[in-house]
Amino acid sequence: DTGVSQDPRHKITKRGQNVTFRCDPISEHNRLYWYRQTLGQGPEFLTYFQNEAQLEKSRLLSDRFSAERPKGSFSTLEIQRTEQGDSAMYLCASDLVLGQGGPEAFFGQGTRLTVV
Amino acid sequence: SQQGEEDPQALSIQEGENATMNCSYKTSINNLQWYRQNSGRGLVHLILIRSNEREKHSGRLRVTLDTSKKSSSLLITASRAADTASYFCATDGGATNKLIFGTGTLLAVQP
Repeated sequence: DTGVSQDPRHKITKRGQNVTFRCDPISEHNRLYWYRQTLGQGPEFLTYFQNEAQLEKSRLLSDRFSAERPKGSFSTLEIQRTEQGDSAMYLCASDLVLGQGGPEAFFGQGTRLTVV
Repeated sequence: SQQGEEDPQALSIQEGENATMNCSYKTSINNLQWYRQNSGRGLVHLILIRSNEREKHSGRLRVTLDTSKKSSSLLITASRAADTASYFCATDGGATNKLIFGTGTLLAVQP
C-alpha cells in the first residue's frame, strides 16, 4: 500500500452534469475524510467516516453532494447538477484513530474539478 | 468553516534564513498538526504536538504550542529553496477529532 489514492486526478465537466470521485485510503485506516480546497485557501472539511459510518457532514455539503463508504474501505463523493462554484480541489485523507488525540492524517493528491 | 488563521499570509526569505509562521485557533484541542503543501499537490504531514506539550522538534522544524493563547508557531531553521510551499496548521478537538485547517502561510525561499 503506497498511500491514499484518488481518482481521477483531474475532471472537467459541464455545468449541470453529475460527477463522482473515488478515494482509496490506506488499508488499515479506519477514518476517511473529504475536504474541498479552493485557490489560496486551506482545506475545508466536508465529511468524514469512521469505518462505514458517516459521522459528520459540514454545512458546506449541500444536498447535491453525497458521500459513501459502503464497506468501510474506499469512498466515493458524488456531486449532482454541478455548478461553477463547485470548481475546486477535492482532497481525501485517512488515519487510524484509537481513542482521543488522533495521529497524522495522510492525504491523497486530490481531484481537481473544473466546471465549465 | 476554518478553525484558525496563519500569520503571515505570505513570507519571502533567503536560503539559509529561518522562517517563522504562527497559527491561532478558536476552540479547545486535543492536538495541533502542521502540514506542507506544494503547489497543486496533496498535503504532507510535518509534525504533531499534543495539547499537553509546549514544544517539539523534528529535524529543522520546531513547533511551540500555547494553549492559554490558543496559538502555535512553526520555525523552520536554515531554510532551503525546497522548503518553498504553503504551510497549514490543523487542529482537532471535541468528541469528533476531525481536522480543521487554517488559512495557510505561503513561504517562498529564494536561492
